Amino acid sequence: GAVVSQHPSWVICKSGTSVKIECRSLDFQATTMFWYRQFPKQSLMLMATSNEGSKATYEQGVEKDKFLINHASLTLSTLTVTSAHPEDSSFYICSAREAAGGTDTQYFGPGTRLTVL
Amino acid sequence: GNSVTQMEGPVTLSEEAFLTINCTYTATGYPSLFWYVQYPGEGLQLLLKATKADDKGSNKGFEATYRKETTSFHLEKGSVQVSDSAVYFCALGGATNKLIFGTGTLLAVQP
Repeated sequence: GAVVSQHPSWVICKSGTSVKIECRSLDFQATTMFWYRQFPKQSLMLMATSNEGSKATYEQGVEKDKFLINHASLTLSTLTVTSAHPEDSSFYICSAREAAGGTDTQYFGPGTRLTVL
Repeated sequence: GNSVTQMEGPVTLSEEAFLTINCTYTATGYPSLFWYVQYPGEGLQLLLKATKADDKGSNKGFEATYRKETTSFHLEKGSVQVSDSAVYFCALGGATNKLIFGTGTLLAVQP
């Protein structure tokens, strides 16, 4: 099946710094990627929809100035957590939508664990 | 709005036992339904899906049937293995391509 990678797999940063997380579709092009946040032992919460070549669409309650999303190519979307604080510590997961050849499936990356000290 | 309700876990079974994880949904229109699995320390993997009523998705011995009349998509497996231990998420996909997830059900299979 299709493969989606994320980098880094884990990151620890100091409060007030910014962290960039990359999401790549390795063997298919994805015009749409999604960013989720998962708290311990909870479900995934959709943060935003990332569209190649246009602005991301954020879900209600998600601060777009804090979680900057850039979808610069058909295989790469980035999420930057700006001025991170301890409450931003979480597991961030991206997915990429493959819609070619009659399929329409989201493939998920392995996630990035962010810890803000 | 659209929503997914999953049975709460954890579900603890002995190896070779029969598994059912219930999932019901509320949706407008005709959504696609999915089961994803998350193994410890890993991201989500698509397990199976169904795109219309009465479709049966199946993979690795797991199966689920899209029941429009009961708005359900229960996951079943006839004989679970220790390696099936994971968190299972039921999800609904609508016209916007966004996925709405249930809360997840932890399955623990004991030898």
